[in-house]
Amino acid sequence: NAGVTQTPKFRVLKTGQSMTLLCAQDMNHEYMYWYRQDPGMGLRLIHYSVGEGTTAKGEVPDGYNVSRLKKQNFLLGLESAAPSQTSVYFCASSYPHVEQFFGPGTRLTVL
Amino acid sequence: AQSVSQHNHHVILSEAASLELGCNYSYGGTVNLFWYVQYPGQHLQLLLKYFSGDPLVKGIKGFEAEFIKSKFSFNLRKPSVQWSDTAEYFCAPPGGSYKLIFGSGTRLLVRP
Repeated sequence: NAGVTQTPKFRVLKTGQSMTLLCAQDMNHEYMYWYRQDPGMGLRLIHYSVGEGTTAKGEVPDGYNVSRLKKQNFLLGLESAAPSQTSVYFCASSYPHVEQFFGPGTRLTVL
Repeated sequence: AQSVSQHNHHVILSEAASLELGCNYSYGGTVNLFWYVQYPGQHLQLLLKYFSGDPLVKGIKGFEAEFIKSKFSFNLRKPSVQWSDTAEYFCAPPGGSYKLIFGSGTRLLVRP
């Protein structure tokens, strides 16, 4: 069991570039989440999904889009990266109403 | 909107000292409560959880937490910390039907 995996681990972008972060889980979890972690601000929810083909906005969704075409994958897209999106991004998955399992994170720097 | 408050942002202790980290939340529904730990450079891992029953729950590495419904609190405790407990700790109550809300975290530094 790989658990929750994230690709890539590190990325540097220039302002205005686009990219997609991939999250994959092999635990057959219904729910998946994307968070960003910034110093002193804890984890803030960007978008989440409660099932294949469904997505919903979290606390800080602006500038991001997501897709859940397959149950095991949850993609986070940045269409036009901005320096304010420099952060560590964590994906998580869970069964309904129980603990979330986290991926190793993606460290993104936008210059 | 649901909220969570962790009272201590930075805590410095010597080894063998006792630890208590406060967490208060606002969610009024059925609560499943969690504490997560993040060791330096790593992802979040579950420390302990409360779903129902005994309000005093035990987790990994000697940690425990007490759920006090009337105070909307879920404080984390450890009787004797070790250097290896140096990490950031996050309280996570429900933020709604499908998600958790994470506190801003408490950075614990344990001096050997």
